[in-house]
Amino acid sequence: SQQGEEDPQALSIQEGENATMNCSYKTSINNLQWYRQNSGRGLVHLILIRSNEREKHSGRLRVTLDTSKKSSSLLITASRAADTASYFCATSQNTGRRALTFGSGTRLQVQP
Amino acid sequence: DAGVTQSPTHLIKTRGQQVTLRCSPKSGHDTVSWYQQALGQGPQFIFQYYEEEERQRGNFPDRFSGHQFPNYSSELNVNALLLGDSALYLCASSWDRGGETQYFGPGTRLLVL
Repeated sequence: SQQGEEDPQALSIQEGENATMNCSYKTSINNLQWYRQNSGRGLVHLILIRSNEREKHSGRLRVTLDTSKKSSSLLITASRAADTASYFCATSQNTGRRALTFGSGTRLQVQP
Repeated sequence: DAGVTQSPTHLIKTRGQQVTLRCSPKSGHDTVSWYQQALGQGPQFIFQYYEEEERQRGNFPDRFSGHQFPNYSSELNVNALLLGDSALYLCASSWDRGGETQYFGPGTRLLVL
């Protein structure tokens, strides 16, 4: 079963606009990660945020985490056509186990 | 530095057959995890191997089994294939002592007819 849900399921924007994706999860976590997947290929790790962090930046990416609401958001600023992909959040529970539990993903389309 | 590699890239099998998928982890990684991704869904955890043993398992039947070799590479075996086993199978590697981040291979796309 999926741990969480991404919202929206699909998003279409113009190049240069910002894209925001949200993720909700159900259980206590050790960390939350965001991955990108192009056209059903392998996943590329984007950013990891730990449960004791609230915000993290990496280049054009900004991730926030609200453990009280069990939610996270990924913001991509100044989007490019190359950002077109599916984006998944994945959580790792705080039991010491390493398995990642993925959400259902947001499909982002950036129009040139 | 080679990343995670998987073979084959595509595979077609018929119901009832058996399949073996292979994964070589990223250099320096000692832990391999396998995930199944159905079309339009997020990946689901199958199991994880460390020190040649299954350390953690997801909610998959015993038809799914695996192995890890001394060089840390891994195999995923699926017996008695069902149509519902058609999916993208992803291998991810990590380093047990440091690795919360898992690095994924390109996947093997399995089609069961």
